[in-house]
Amino acid sequence: AQSVTQLDSQVPVFEEAPVELRCNYSSSVSVYLFWYVQYPNQGLQLLLKYLSGSTLVESINGFEAEFNKSQTSFHLRKPSVHISDTAEYFCAVSDTSGGYQKVTFGIGTKLQVIP
Amino acid sequence: EAGVAQSPRYKIIEKRQSVAFWCNPISGHATLYWYQQILGQGPKLLIQFQNNGVVDDSQLPKDRFSAERLKGVDSTLKIQPAKLEDSAVYLCASSRDRYSGNTIYFGEGSWLTVV
Repeated sequence: AQSVTQLDSQVPVFEEAPVELRCNYSSSVSVYLFWYVQYPNQGLQLLLKYLSGSTLVESINGFEAEFNKSQTSFHLRKPSVHISDTAEYFCAVSDTSGGYQKVTFGIGTKLQVIP
Repeated sequence: EAGVAQSPRYKIIEKRQSVAFWCNPISGHATLYWYQQILGQGPKLLIQFQNNGVVDDSQLPKDRFSAERLKGVDSTLKIQPAKLEDSAVYLCASSRDRYSGNTIYFGEGSWLTVV
């Protein structure tokens, strides 16, 4: 069985300040890791993912996340947030047990960027 | 490329009534998912199809929920009879195939309120 823990349900941050959204996972097998974002009144969309290779992955809009196997973490960071980053962010884990992708989502972290 | 289409977007029904949600995945995507997202929680997988076959329905309350994906394209999720605790957003999603690491593409969701 696999699980995802997002430690913060809400994170308020001032515009242009840095932010870190925390994510820890638990799994008995190798995993792939994802961050999905849900903007107001929209569906979830992929922000970035770690499959293999470099443990640091980046998105096109300045977010990055680092896979840390020893700490079973995949925290999401951005050095300077914008108002448009206000959204809910979901961490997710996927393994290959059973021969198909089984994705487990965290409960989400609401990022509120304050002008 | 058209995204995942869902309808209706909003539905209000009384308990013990029935409701059906429709989903059309991205063209060519073999894997289709139905997730339930209760307010304040992350998406929970209800059922996953590979083409027109079910690969995981372990969390589907089969006494009241049913889903089908005829011809391996669009899908319908039905709830009958509905309970108050079924109030949630029902998310349809699709991916190119069933293998781990695939990006999952979500629709905007169908909001259900049971009164």
